[in-house]
Amino acid sequence: EAGVVQSPRYKIIEKKQPVAFWCNPISGHNTLYWYRQNLGQGPELLIRYENEEAVDDSQLPKDRFSAERLKGVDSTLKIQPAELGDSAVYLCASSRGGSGNTIYFGEGSWLTVV
Amino acid sequence: DAKTTQPNSMESNEEEPVHLPCNHSTISGTDYIHWYRQLPSQGPEYVIHGLTSNVNNRMASLAIAEDRKSSTLILHRATLRDAAVYYCILRDRNGGSNYKLTFGKGTLLTVNP
Repeated sequence: EAGVVQSPRYKIIEKKQPVAFWCNPISGHNTLYWYRQNLGQGPELLIRYENEEAVDDSQLPKDRFSAERLKGVDSTLKIQPAELGDSAVYLCASSRGGSGNTIYFGEGSWLTVV
Repeated sequence: DAKTTQPNSMESNEEEPVHLPCNHSTISGTDYIHWYRQLPSQGPEYVIHGLTSNVNNRMASLAIAEDRKSSTLILHRATLRDAAVYYCILRDRNGGSNYKLTFGKGTLLTVNP
């Protein structure tokens, strides 16, 4: 079974430029998460989807971040414009619907803003 | 969410057992204890979880104190591939927070050859 797939793996951009990350969850997983991980810290939740609905986006900085999950499968996380402080690893994860299920993570997209 | 406390770092030698502690003194009766680990340059991966009884799987064992205020992740024979950050996380099986993982800083395990 394929795991959570993310792209790009690495991205370097100049500040004020836009950037987008793509995620393909494990087949059959209704719940999709985007986490951000700063250096030396644990991951922090940005947004959670149940199918195509964003059910928890309280930690998503909505002035510059946006996310979508069309058709309830793949998802895209966008930052526009990027700031220096956005340099981090962006992790996508998925799980089967329902509470308490194991959450599986992708390898992450490493963003450096210069 | 109930919080956990872990040492910042631990060291072990290859092929020796490793005991990674976690304190969760404010744990509620419906909180499961989950452990995830994060290998270098990888996303976190599930290791094990339990509620009250000790648990074993192919990766590790989880020993839970009788009062549930602490737990210990046991790696029976550490290998170099076990070098990672280990996160102890509480998930309330009834609450809305159960749908997500709230990470702390975890314990950085170094395995010496």
